[in-house]
Amino acid sequence: QVQLVQSGAEVKKPGASVKVSCKASQYTFIDYYLHWVRQAPGQGLEWMGWINPESGRTNYAQKFQGRVSMTGDTSISTAYMELRSLTSDDTAVYYCTRAGADIPMDVWGRGTTVIVSS
Amino acid sequence: SYVLTQPPSVSVAPGVTATIPCGGNNIGDKSVHWFQQRPGQAPVLVIYYDTDRPSGIPERFSASNSGNTATLTISRVEAGDEADYYCQVWDNTSDHWVFGGGTKLTVL
Repeated sequence: QVQLVQSGAEVKKPGASVKVSCKASQYTFIDYYLHWVRQAPGQGLEWMGWINPESGRTNYAQKFQGRVSMTGDTSISTAYMELRSLTSDDTAVYYCTRAGADIPMDVWGRGTTVIVSS
Repeated sequence: SYVLTQPPSVSVAPGVTATIPCGGNNIGDKSVHWFQQRPGQAPVLVIYYDTDRPSGIPERFSASNSGNTATLTISRVEAGDEADYYCQVWDNTSDHWVFGGGTKLTVL
C-alpha cells in the first residue's frame, strides 16, 4: 500500500543539524507535494513547509526560514528535511505527509523523534 | 498570520454526539481539513475540503463550515474515537498551512 517510511530517531547536541528522510512507495513520487509537520512533546501539530518533488520548489513557514532546507531525490523517491542550529525547543516528532491536488495530507509517515540535548 | 482556535477539550458519553468547533476569521471562505491523532500515532485525515470523508472513515464523522466557525461532528461516539482532533486550513495570504491548537476528545 501507499507508504511514507521515515528515518530513525536522532539525538543531537545544541547547535548541530539534523537531516530526516522520508521514502515514498507505491505511488508516483512527483505527483504529490511533501509536507513536513512537527509535534513537540505534549504539544500540537506545527506545519514547517513543503516541497514540490517535481520542480524542487519549496515553501517554508516563516518561523523556520533560514534554518530549514527541504530537498528531494526523485531517483529514489525520497524527500529530506534538514534543520540547522538546533536548540532544545526543536525536540519533537517530525512527520512527513503527502498532499495532492484532490486530497490533502492523506498519508503520513510514522514520525521521526529528534531529541536535542547537551 | 491566520489563527485557528479550538477548545482544549471536549468530553462526551458513549453513544451521544460530539461537536468540536474550530474558529477563524471568515473561515467559511476557506477549505477546512480535520485530523484525528490517537496517542503515540501519526495523524489521520478524517475530513477534507470541509465535508468530504476519505475512504475508510466512518459515516459517523461529518463536518460543516460557515461564517467564523467550522465544526467536526462525531455521531454515536465510541471509546475508540478518543483522540486529539486538529483542524487545518491553507492561508492564501501567507501561502502557509495552519493547524488549530487541537481538541482532546474524552469519552466518559
